[in-house]
Amino acid sequence: ELKVEQNPLFLSMQEGKNYTIYCNYSTTSDRLYWYRQDPGKSLESLFVLLSNGAVKQEGRLMASLDTKARLSTLHITAAVHDLSATYFCASDTDKLIFGTGTRLQVFP
Amino acid sequence: GAVVSQHPSWVICKSGTSVKIECRSLDFQATTMFWYRQFPKQSLMLMATSNEGSKATYEQGVEKDKFLINHASLTLSTLTVTSAHPEDSSFYICSARDGARGSNTEAFFGQGTRLTVV
Repeated sequence: ELKVEQNPLFLSMQEGKNYTIYCNYSTTSDRLYWYRQDPGKSLESLFVLLSNGAVKQEGRLMASLDTKARLSTLHITAAVHDLSATYFCASDTDKLIFGTGTRLQVFP
Repeated sequence: GAVVSQHPSWVICKSGTSVKIECRSLDFQATTMFWYRQFPKQSLMLMATSNEGSKATYEQGVEKDKFLINHASLTLSTLTVTSAHPEDSSFYICSARDGARGSNTEAFFGQGTRLTVV
């Protein structure tokens, strides 16, 4: 059974700081997604990682994928309050299985 | 980009009644649709996978007689929560893959439906 775990579950960080969210998955998968969810809303697609070594960046967020280690990371650079949300990774085989989620709170 | 429309956005129903949630792909043909349930402050849990024209595949622990899924066309899947009870109150989200791009392409998500059973 595919399991996807994220670490940490909750992250409170000061504006301007950097941090990394980790996503481990248990079975072979070449596709990994990152999503953002604001309270009461559905998912917003952030990154689609399709191959080993893939790295994508958008603004203050950068995602990477290591399929051999079954690990993806979401790095936050110089956090701002607008990044406060819950972030999910999801591993894709024939179905999309979500990680536990990381609730990010950025304070001044 | 691909758009998935879910309706209604929120619904309040009485215990014991049934509620139907629709999920439509607006600009592509969705051969596969997924239904998720999300309780407050938790992750999305896959309930079932539906393929157009065939029976849905339910995840372990999901009652197929309670959560009826119909995927009668390439643009519409419905989830009916039968005999709803307060513990069924949750956020339900659908997603769909574009069949024309292959079987394992990115899935696009609906806006979600917040169900409250009173």
